[in-house]
Amino acid sequence: KQEVTQIPAALSVPEGENLVLNCSFTDSAIYNLQWFRQDPGKGLTSLLLIQSSQREQTSGRLNASLDKSSGRSTLYIAASQPGDSATYLCAVSPFSGGYNKLIFGAGTRLAVHP
Amino acid sequence: NAGVTQTPKFRVLKTGQSMTLLCAQDMNHEYMYWYRQDPGMGLRLIHYSVGEGTTAKGEVPDGYNVSRLKKQNFLLGLESAAPSQTSVYFCASSSYTNEQFFGPGTRLTVL
Repeated sequence: KQEVTQIPAALSVPEGENLVLNCSFTDSAIYNLQWFRQDPGKGLTSLLLIQSSQREQTSGRLNASLDKSSGRSTLYIAASQPGDSATYLCAVSPFSGGYNKLIFGAGTRLAVHP
Repeated sequence: NAGVTQTPKFRVLKTGQSMTLLCAQDMNHEYMYWYRQDPGMGLRLIHYSVGEGTTAKGEVPDGYNVSRLKKQNFLLGLESAAPSQTSVYFCASSSYTNEQFFGPGTRLTVL
C-alpha cells in the first residue's frame, strides 16, 4: 500500500532563508507527484506537478525534484517570504488503484517570520 | 471562471440527520473527487467520478454516497450522519493531466 510521509511536520524560518521540504513515498510505481499549498481555512492550491518521466519542475521561486527510484521528492523555496507561510502537501498518483487518484502526505506547516 | 465551488461552507448536524454537499466546476473537467481532511492526516479520497453518470469508491467510502448526473456537478450525500464524519470536506476536479484543482471546503460538525 502506498504511503506518503512528509518531514518535518512543522518548520519555522526567518525571512530570506532558502529552505527544503521533504516528501517520501513507499512505492515508486507512480504516474506523477504534485505539491500543493494550503492556507489556514482554505482549499488546496496546486503548485507543481511532476510527471514520472521528469526529474524536476520550476515555478518562480519554487523548484520541485523527483527521484522515483529512491521514493523521494523535495520542494525548494528560494528567498522565503512571510507570504510563503502555509501548509505544504505532497501527493502521488499511484499505478495501483488508477491514474486519477492521489495519495497525500500529512503536510509540512511552514512559518516564515520577518 | 469560478473554478471549483462548494456549498455549503459550514454545517452542523445532529447524529442521524442527512445532508448533501454540492460541488460544481466550470472547467469542463472529466474527473471529480471528494476528499475528507482530518487533523494531523492528509486528505483521504472518499469517492470519485471519471465522467458524467459514473462513480467509484475511494479509500474511505463507508457512510457516504455520491452522484454525477451532470458533468459539472458532483454531489456527496450523508444518509445518517455520525460524529466520526466530523471533518472538512474538499471537492476537486481534473482533466486527463490529473492536475487537481480544489474547492474551498465544507466544514461539517456532527454532534
